[in-house]
Amino acid sequence: TQLLEQSPQFLSIQEGENLTVYCNSSSVFSSLQWYRQEPGEGPVLLVTVVTGGEVKKLKRLTFQFGDARKDSSLHITAAQPGDTGLYLCAGDILGGSNYKLTFGKGTLLTVNP
Amino acid sequence: NAGVTQTPKFQVLKTGQSMTLQCAQDMNHNSMYWYRQDPGMGLRLIYYSASEGTTDKGEVPNGYNVSRLNKREFSLRLESAAPSQTSVYFCASSEAGGAWQPQHFGDGTRLSIL
Repeated sequence: TQLLEQSPQFLSIQEGENLTVYCNSSSVFSSLQWYRQEPGEGPVLLVTVVTGGEVKKLKRLTFQFGDARKDSSLHITAAQPGDTGLYLCAGDILGGSNYKLTFGKGTLLTVNP
Repeated sequence: NAGVTQTPKFQVLKTGQSMTLQCAQDMNHNSMYWYRQDPGMGLRLIYYSASEGTTDKGEVPNGYNVSRLNKREFSLRLESAAPSQTSVYFCASSEAGGAWQPQHFGDGTRLSIL
């Protein structure tokens, strides 16, 4: 059973388009992180959201944590080729171990020039 | 800063061989982690060390052992490698526990077992 479901699994778009990727669960999370991973490298943290309903912006990227803390979304405005990569959400289940992050399988984004 | 350094970057083993994957961090972090990443499976936690001197099992610990040698170093050992252990292995560290703490990852060890 995958605790964190990410959709879509693959996304290929043209430069300048907008997109949204989703991270959903039936479990409640204490907090949730978004990472980006490029080929041949490890994941790099983009943002952490902690409060239900929280919205964080990082330049053209907007992250939202659901009110019930069971889901999150990442919206990219005017995507650029440099946004290409694997986007991973990860969270710690409320009441679970502080050290055990659960990762989704990721959304592989390709932005074509 | 080097951050998290993993060695080796690539390795090919035969079934039944043993090897140790090395990980070192220079950020004075207390917590360290070993993950494996497989196509279609995402990142899965193998073992973690909350602090120097402690280690605990993650989601997929079978077939692995770990050693927290000191605050900087956390190694992962495969005693008798199996083809199912073919994967990309990532080491990560964080200042403390909790998902609000960012985890810093190394660039991975790509391990193939024939």
